[in-house]
Amino acid sequence: GQNIDQPTEMTATEGAIVQINCTYQTSGFNGLFWYQQHAGEAPTFLSYNVLDGLEEKGRFSSFLSRSKGYSYLLLKELQMKDSASYLCAVSRNAGNNRKLIWGLGTSLAVNP
Amino acid sequence: DSGVTQTPKHLITATGQRVTLRCSPRSGDLSVYWYQQSLDQGLQFLIHYYNGEERAKGNILERFSAQQFPDLHSELNLSSLELGDSALYFCASSVVVSDTQYFGPGTRLTVL
Repeated sequence: GQNIDQPTEMTATEGAIVQINCTYQTSGFNGLFWYQQHAGEAPTFLSYNVLDGLEEKGRFSSFLSRSKGYSYLLLKELQMKDSASYLCAVSRNAGNNRKLIWGLGTSLAVNP
Repeated sequence: DSGVTQTPKHLITATGQRVTLRCSPRSGDLSVYWYQQSLDQGLQFLIHYYNGEERAKGNILERFSAQQFPDLHSELNLSSLELGDSALYFCASSVVVSDTQYFGPGTRLTVL
């Protein structure tokens, strides 16, 4: 079947670095997305990885290992505004369609 | 601002009633997705339309229905509402199937 696992909650300190992991099991893998969602707001797109390796975008980086079914989101120089839920989502081929499978999200609290 | 619009922003209604939520995708996007997010829950995929045709169904109840019109806007109809239908309803759009999804601000539905 298809499954996505990510930690439910994490805490970190302002200015520090935090790594949020996501493991998945799926057939027909077609890429992995990370989204940020502040409480009561819409998810916003952060990154997309389809090939193995690290993609860096400012303070945020995302890594993918397809052979291990593993990704992480790295947040550097944490700011209070980074307190949010981080959603991992896997795209998979399903017949002549593609489906996005969402993780439950990791709630990150950044403390001063 | 993602470019996806949703109306209304808030909706309060009573059990047994019927409501319609509206979504306008980003200019040029052909795919529209509907999601439900209950308090402290993950995103639940409901249904996906591409260029006016239904492409995929998720955990959508029979009391719920949707459609995408020729101008590509979409409506989600919720009928015989129950207390448990209270949630945030998000619409997202993408250029094509499985492309990055951009979310609207959501409609917060409260059923009393």
